[in-house]
Amino acid sequence: SQKIEQNSEALNIQEGKTATLTCNYTNYSPAYLQWYRQDPGRGPVFLLLIRENEKEKRKERLKVTFDTTLKQSLFHITASQPADSATYLCALQRSYGQNFVFGPGTRLSVLP
Amino acid sequence: DTAVSQTPKYLVTQMGNDKSIKCEQNLGHDTMYWYKQDSKKFLKIMFSYNNKELIINETVPNRFSPKSPDKAHLNLHINSLELGDSAVYFCASSHTGTSGTEQYFGPGTRLTVT
Repeated sequence: SQKIEQNSEALNIQEGKTATLTCNYTNYSPAYLQWYRQDPGRGPVFLLLIRENEKEKRKERLKVTFDTTLKQSLFHITASQPADSATYLCALQRSYGQNFVFGPGTRLSVLP
Repeated sequence: DTAVSQTPKYLVTQMGNDKSIKCEQNLGHDTMYWYKQDSKKFLKIMFSYNNKELIINETVPNRFSPKSPDKAHLNLHINSLELGDSAVYFCASSHTGTSGTEQYFGPGTRLTVT
């Protein structure tokens, strides 16, 4: 069956370090992969999209990689700040127009 | 201005009741969604609605029915509420012309069934 896993339920890192979050999937061939941020009591907010033919995408301090051979996406936050503390969700879309399937999320805490 | 809004934000009701959650988006999007996020924080698609075409997740009980009076609104009606329906429900919207379909989420409605 299709499965999406995110490396750990919670991740604690020190301010200024690079946070790396992992999204692994099985029995799935997504054409698109997205990362969202969710703060407590709020809806998810879109961060980055990467397509299956793209290896890497960057936006300010954020970087996403997509390895369709390993069936894995890595999400990096460089020079992390306490304000980056939130839950990060990956979402896979099989093809254009199809519904997204979300991973369980990783709760990131950046410690001052 | 709020892009995707939902009402109410909190809803507490008893088993067996019927309730509705309203959603409105002012982004001009043509696709709207309902998601359920349970206590374990899994976010699962319930419905998507595009140009009057409804795509239903097969695991959703038929007690749940979406109603879309126009492209800017997608309401969720729930009949005969059960304890297991307690969750946070999110409305979202997107523009199908956008490759990859970036979604904009509402603030959520926390439903508690007692």
